[in-house]
Amino acid sequence: GDSVTQMEGPVTLSEEAFLTINCTYTATGYPSLFWYVQYPGEGLQLLLKATKADDKGSNKGFEATYRKETTSFHLEKGSVQVSDSAVYFCALRALTGGGNKLTFGTGTQLKVEL
Amino acid sequence: DADVTQTPRNRITKTGKRIMLECSQTKGHDRMYWYRQDPGLGLRLIYYSFDVKDINKGEISDGYSVSRQAQAKFSLSLESAIPNQTALYFCATSAQEAGAYEQYFGPGTRLTVT
Repeated sequence: GDSVTQMEGPVTLSEEAFLTINCTYTATGYPSLFWYVQYPGEGLQLLLKATKADDKGSNKGFEATYRKETTSFHLEKGSVQVSDSAVYFCALRALTGGGNKLTFGTGTQLKVEL
Repeated sequence: DADVTQTPRNRITKTGKRIMLECSQTKGHDRMYWYRQDPGLGLRLIYYSFDVKDINKGEISDGYSVSRQAQAKFSLSLESAIPNQTALYFCATSAQEAGAYEQYFGPGTRLTVT
């Protein structure tokens, strides 16, 4: 079945450091890929998405590129801020099975310190 | 006002009690979902509904039931709560049209079963 594997946290960085959160997936065909962010005490919000190979999703300084050859969708940001502290979830939407069902990774907690 | 609301936000209940979690949305979406979030496990799909007459089990439906009372309302019930159902529960919605992949999440209900 479909699955998403992302690096375990917590990841602790200093403000202005470079961020990478790794995400790899297993799915039939070419799924759509997403990064969601969960701020403390809130629900998940879509951060960015990519729907086909080589697409780059970007938002709020975050980027991720859909790499079919490595089945990866790593999240990057060049300079993190304290306000980026949150839990980040990688997810996929398979093309089979109908609907918009998402399969999520386990989440990676990011802590950014001054 | 929030587009997806959940009530209650926090609930403590005892083993064996029946409990209902409610979700309402003002986004006009046809599709609604219930997930549970556990530390280290990410989000797992409990039930989903594509319209009022279409209810489907997710990957962890045992011990849960749902009711889609209207397009805008989707409730989750635990008929006889047990401690391992202690978790954070999220409702989500999505649109039906092709290419509309984003799911919109409510703020969550933290449920504790003692």
